[in-house]
Amino acid sequence: GQQLNQSPQSMFIQEGEDVSMNCTSSSIFNTWLWYKQEPGEGPVLLIALYKAGELTSNGRLTAQFGITRKDSFLNISASIPSDVGIYFCAGLGNTGNQFYFGTGTSLTVIP
Amino acid sequence: DTGVSQDPRHKITKRGQNVTFRCDPISEHNRLYWYRQTLGQGPEFLTYFQNEAQLEKSRLLSDRFSAERPKGSFSTLEIQRTEQGDSAMYLCASCRSTDTQYFGPGTRLTVL
Repeated sequence: GQQLNQSPQSMFIQEGEDVSMNCTSSSIFNTWLWYKQEPGEGPVLLIALYKAGELTSNGRLTAQFGITRKDSFLNISASIPSDVGIYFCAGLGNTGNQFYFGTGTSLTVIP
Repeated sequence: DTGVSQDPRHKITKRGQNVTFRCDPISEHNRLYWYRQTLGQGPEFLTYFQNEAQLEKSRLLSDRFSAERPKGSFSTLEIQRTEQGDSAMYLCASCRSTDTQYFGPGTRLTVL
């Protein structure tokens, strides 16, 4: 399957700091999605990106669809304790049928 | 609550037993996906349906796994003769044909 690499694997930050994480692929994707998952729950959709170069915000979250269509970035501004969780990127493959997920970035926010 | 529900939320079974999970997608979504997720990993695609047709299956889906969506609404995933390696979170997601996916809360399977 297509491989998505997320970095960093984990982050420990102080409340109020900004966070950046990214996702890269060896293949081109037509859609990028960012999810947040909390323990024992399913992933919750945060942001969807449909076009290369697109920059989309959802509250304190901003995500970008890379120009090469092989990467995407997620930024969280002014982090708060409830931002804690694992953030996954997902890309829609060439067939338009299957989503491929990254290995996740675990975020810990220290009050 | 995304509107996708899964049942049960947790299942503990003994090795060799059969288990069945159910997923109820968002009603207007014609696509339904099953994923498996193990600790520290992202969800891995297992199979998907468009309406009642199962259109794609991963190589991860061994002969012991079968999925159905008989009326194009809810779906079931059955695992026969469970093995300890089947222990994982089983996630269901639904979407319209070319839209984003919304996940259910998952079914956590533990095989003893």
